[in-house]
Amino acid sequence: DTEVTQTPKHLVMGMTNKKSLKCEQHMGHRAMYWYKQKAKKPPELMFVYSYEKLSINESVPSRFSPECPNSSLLNLHLHALQPEDSALYLCASRPLGTTTGELFFGEGSRLTVL
Amino acid sequence: EDQVTQSPEALRLQEGESSSLNCSYTVSGLRGLFWYRQDPGKGPEFLFTLYSAGEEKEKERLKATLTKKESFLHITAPKPEDSATYLCAVQAGGSQGNLIFGKGTKLSVKP
Repeated sequence: DTEVTQTPKHLVMGMTNKKSLKCEQHMGHRAMYWYKQKAKKPPELMFVYSYEKLSINESVPSRFSPECPNSSLLNLHLHALQPEDSALYLCASRPLGTTTGELFFGEGSRLTVL
Repeated sequence: EDQVTQSPEALRLQEGESSSLNCSYTVSGLRGLFWYRQDPGKGPEFLFTLYSAGEEKEKERLKATLTKKESFLHITAPKPEDSATYLCAVQAGGSQGNLIFGKGTKLSVKP
């Protein structure tokens, strides 16, 4: 199993809604990432979890709240978003304690904020 | 400041017309350089990792090379299914493993 699975694939929400994005991997990777990608732009790092602990928060607004309940699961809770938050949200993972550095990405969750 | 620059921004090729994509970088203590392929609306798909100057990796019609300042992704006899955006990323020493991405090269291969 070499997959990172993200749900939902598409999400439309209003600015007052609360929703969550989910990411799951069963490769035993102990680092998990959230990236945001706008159209025709490269992925931008949002959060990094190492061994289920938040290790990096790239100055992301508090309306985005990450959570790592266990080593296989990563959530991104969304509340009071703005239309400019519409983007493709990518989850990625990689093993820790090895020389390998490549990230394994999910297919993303396309978020539209109305 | 660590930086990754890819060129060209877009490249249109005829099927079978070989070419190269460039990724130049400035980074303190390169730990690895990565090439990804991204199809529209999908997550990046890992292609290659290069760790040291002189290293080369191949996969089907793609070959990646690395020097001390840049990397090339050579595409030999491309097919329409090679059309995608190709992203280059570097991992710097002390970056906790985080990748710095270039803006990508959008490749279109016409039959």
